[in-house]
Amino acid sequence: EDKVVQSPLSLVVHEGDTVTLNCSYEVTNFRSLLWYKQEKKAPTFLFMLTSSGIEKKSGRLSSILDKKELFSILNITATQTGDSAVYLCAVENNTDKLIFGTGTRLQVFP
Amino acid sequence: DTGVSQNPRHKITKRGQNVTFRCDPISEHNRLYWYRQTLGQGPEFLTYFQNEAQLEKSRLLSDRFSAERPKGSFSTLEIQRTEQGDSAMYLCASSHGGAGNIQYFGAGTRLSVL
Repeated sequence: EDKVVQSPLSLVVHEGDTVTLNCSYEVTNFRSLLWYKQEKKAPTFLFMLTSSGIEKKSGRLSSILDKKELFSILNITATQTGDSAVYLCAVENNTDKLIFGTGTRLQVFP
Repeated sequence: DTGVSQNPRHKITKRGQNVTFRCDPISEHNRLYWYRQTLGQGPEFLTYFQNEAQLEKSRLLSDRFSAERPKGSFSTLEIQRTEQGDSAMYLCASSHGGAGNIQYFGAGTRLSVL
């Protein structure tokens, strides 16, 4: 059965810290891996990764995919309180649906 | 606002009642997805449409659940004879399909079954 596992489940840091969120997957017919940020409402899209080793970057956030080892990481540098959210990793297979992990809850304190 | 729109945002109902949710996708998107999310979990796929055709349904979608997208635009998700276990956030997403198929989510409908 297709599976996406995120770690850690929860993370508490201070503003200015750098964090790394992990996502591993076992999915047949992999097509892409996506990261979303979820505050109290809609998951908002961060990155889509399809190729190994190519870093995607947006401001203080960056992500990379390793298709050989079947994992991805999401890095956030110089964290701010506004980064507090649940970060969801999802994998798209060839049937176009997303398989989500349980998410990593990040809390950033001043 | 040109994002995915869902109504209502919250629904409280008594066990055994029927409920219906609506989703309006981003206008140029031909794919529309429904997911269910319970507390502390990631969203779980329920079903999806390409235009008006329902292409896949999860085994999570019991006979009490039905979804439609009659004109290939908005979609409705109906739950008949609601049970307490149906309490969850119901999320809708849309995408244009094809390569780089990014799904964009609405804010969801939170259902509470008493």
